[in-house]
Amino acid sequence: KQEVTQIPAALSVPEGENLVLNCSFTDSAIYNLQWFRQDPGKGLTSLLLIQSSQREQTSGRLNASLDKSSGRSTLYIAASQPGDSATYLCAVEADSWGKFQFGAGTQVVVTP
Amino acid sequence: DVKVTQSSRYLVKRTGEKVFLECVQDMDHENMFWYRQDPGLGLRLIYFSYDVKMKEKGDIPEGYSVSREKKERFSLILESASTNQTSMYLCASNGRGQETQYFGPGTRLLVL
Repeated sequence: KQEVTQIPAALSVPEGENLVLNCSFTDSAIYNLQWFRQDPGKGLTSLLLIQSSQREQTSGRLNASLDKSSGRSTLYIAASQPGDSATYLCAVEADSWGKFQFGAGTQVVVTP
Repeated sequence: DVKVTQSSRYLVKRTGEKVFLECVQDMDHENMFWYRQDPGLGLRLIYFSYDVKMKEKGDIPEGYSVSREKKERFSLILESASTNQTSMYLCASNGRGQETQYFGPGTRLLVL
C-alpha cells in the first residue's frame, strides 16, 4: 500500500526566505503527483500537478520536482510572503481514476 | 470556475443519529470522492464514485455509506454516528481523464 510522508510537519520562516517542502512515497509506480494548499478550516486548492513522465512543474514562485526512482518530490516556494502561510499537502495517484493517497501535510508559517 | 459545495460547514450531532452530508459539483464531473481529515493522519478516502449509481469503497468505509442518484450530487451517510466519526469531511470531484481534483470547503462534524 502506498504511503506518503511529509517532513517536517511544521515550518516557520521569516518573510523573504525560500521554502523547501519535502514529500516521499513508498511505491514509485505512480500516475502523477499533486501539491495542494489548505488554509485553516477550508478545503484544498490544487497548486501544481506533475505527471509521472515529468521531472518538474513551475507556476510563478512555485516549483515542484519529482524523482520517481527515489520516491521523492520537493515543492519550492521562492521569496516567501505572509500570505503563503498555510498547510501544504502532497498527494500521489496510482492510476488515472482520480484516487489519491495524501501525506499529512506541512504547516507553514511565514513571519513578517 | 469549478464549484464544489457542501451542505453544511459545521454540524453537531448526537451519538446514534443518522447523519447526511451532501456534496454538489457544477462541472459535470464523473468522479466524486469523500475524504475525512484528522490531525496527523492527513486525508483518508472513505468512498468514491465513477458514475451515477456506482460506488466503490475507499480505505476506511466502515460506518459509512454513500448515494449517487444524480451525476452532480454525492451524499455521505453515517448510519449511526459515533464519537470517533468526529472529523472534517471533504468532498472532491474531477472529470474522467482530468487529473486535477477540486475540493469543497469541508464540513466539520462533531458527534457528542
